[in-house]
Amino acid sequence: DQQVKQNSPSLSVQEGRISILNCDYTNSMFDYFLWYKKYPAEGPTFLISISSIKDKNEDGRFTVFLNKSAKHLSLHIVPSQPGDSAVYFCAASGVRSNSGYALNFGKGTSLLVTP
Amino acid sequence: NAGVMQNPRHLVRRRGQEARLRCSPMKGHSHVYWYRQLPEEGLKFMVYLQKENIIDESGMPKERFSAEFPKEGPSILRIQQVVRGDSAAYFCASSPQTGDNQPQHFGDGTRLSIL
Repeated sequence: DQQVKQNSPSLSVQEGRISILNCDYTNSMFDYFLWYKKYPAEGPTFLISISSIKDKNEDGRFTVFLNKSAKHLSLHIVPSQPGDSAVYFCAASGVRSNSGYALNFGKGTSLLVTP
Repeated sequence: NAGVMQNPRHLVRRRGQEARLRCSPMKGHSHVYWYRQLPEEGLKFMVYLQKENIIDESGMPKERFSAEFPKEGPSILRIQQVVRGDSAAYFCASSPQTGDNQPQHFGDGTRLSIL
């Protein structure tokens, strides 16, 4: 039962352009959403999060947008840099959901930023 | 390094043996979570612990798997009588004690291989 879905397994973007990674969720009780970045043989690194009371959160080159009515969030990276090449995971949790504090992860999107 | 520490990084076991995975949370964090990642998949929640308490083990198989977080020392994920299907990357995460909506920070994982 995949409650968080990342439908694009991979994305290729030119350096300097915007990268947009998308994520959909099915559980309306989720109220906290996170993006993680992962390099091979390392653990996920926390990037940015957003709670359901907001629709946008920005941190440097990274912005997360949340559309609750569509159960959709996206991560924008601008400008994209070659060092951003990694797998990006979307995750969601909700204290009042059936999974509590546990993070529900998507399967990831592999981003490649080309020079 | 004040991050989440996991050891060993790699563990090889034969079928039927026991595997013990250790996790020391970030300094000041008292919540520990274990996740498992199979190839080409996202991370799946297994268990959530606080010191001396299992809070949520809904993602952990009922047999052969156990977890603890003693008053002193690291959290331990124990897999008895391992089978080939237990081969995966096991990640530990920790978060601070205070309130909801705290990001979980991950270690670099233990890669378990079953011969």
